[in-house]
Amino acid sequence: GQNIDQPTEMTATEGAIVQINCTYQTSGFNGLFWYQQHAGEAPTFLSYNVLDGLEEKGRFSSFLSRSKGYSYLLLKELQMKDSASYLCAVSDSNYQLIWGAGTKLIIKP
Amino acid sequence: GAVVSQHPSWVICKSGTSVKIECRSLDFQATTMFWYRQFPKQSLMLMATSNEGSKATYEQGVEKDKFLINHASLTLSTLTVTSAHPEDSSFYICSARESDLSNYEQYFGPGTRLTVT
Repeated sequence: GQNIDQPTEMTATEGAIVQINCTYQTSGFNGLFWYQQHAGEAPTFLSYNVLDGLEEKGRFSSFLSRSKGYSYLLLKELQMKDSASYLCAVSDSNYQLIWGAGTKLIIKP
Repeated sequence: GAVVSQHPSWVICKSGTSVKIECRSLDFQATTMFWYRQFPKQSLMLMATSNEGSKATYEQGVEKDKFLINHASLTLSTLTVTSAHPEDSSFYICSARESDLSNYEQYFGPGTRLTVT
């Protein structure tokens, strides 16, 4: 079967750095997405990785290792507004997105 | 960037009635649209995938006769919840993709919160 695993909840301090991990087992791989979702709102796109390595975009970076079926989202200089759920999704061989359950990130002052 | 709208943003209806939710891609043509449902504190659950001009593909466990999907044009898909019941109360989100067989990003609508009383 297809499976995406990520921690249910994480807590971090304002101004700090946090890494949210995602491991996956899917039938085929056509890229991995990270989305941010604030409570009561729809997801918004953060990043897309299809090749191994680190993609940096401002305070957010995303890493992918296809051989390990592993990705992480790194958030630097955390702000209170970063409190949200972070969803990992993998595009499988049919270009369908397989979604993780999401990681709820709580930022404390 | 690409914009997807949904209407209504929230709706309250009585049990047994039907509700129609619209999903529109405003500045691009969406070959494929997706309908998701999300219960509180849970992740997105894909309900169905719709391609313009053809029948929707429903995920296992989703009743196609209860959740009617119409993708009549490249910019509009509708989801009709028929004979709604309180357990259908949820956050319904659509997303749209420009190309069918590609890895283009899915653009999400703002969601529709349905409450069935």
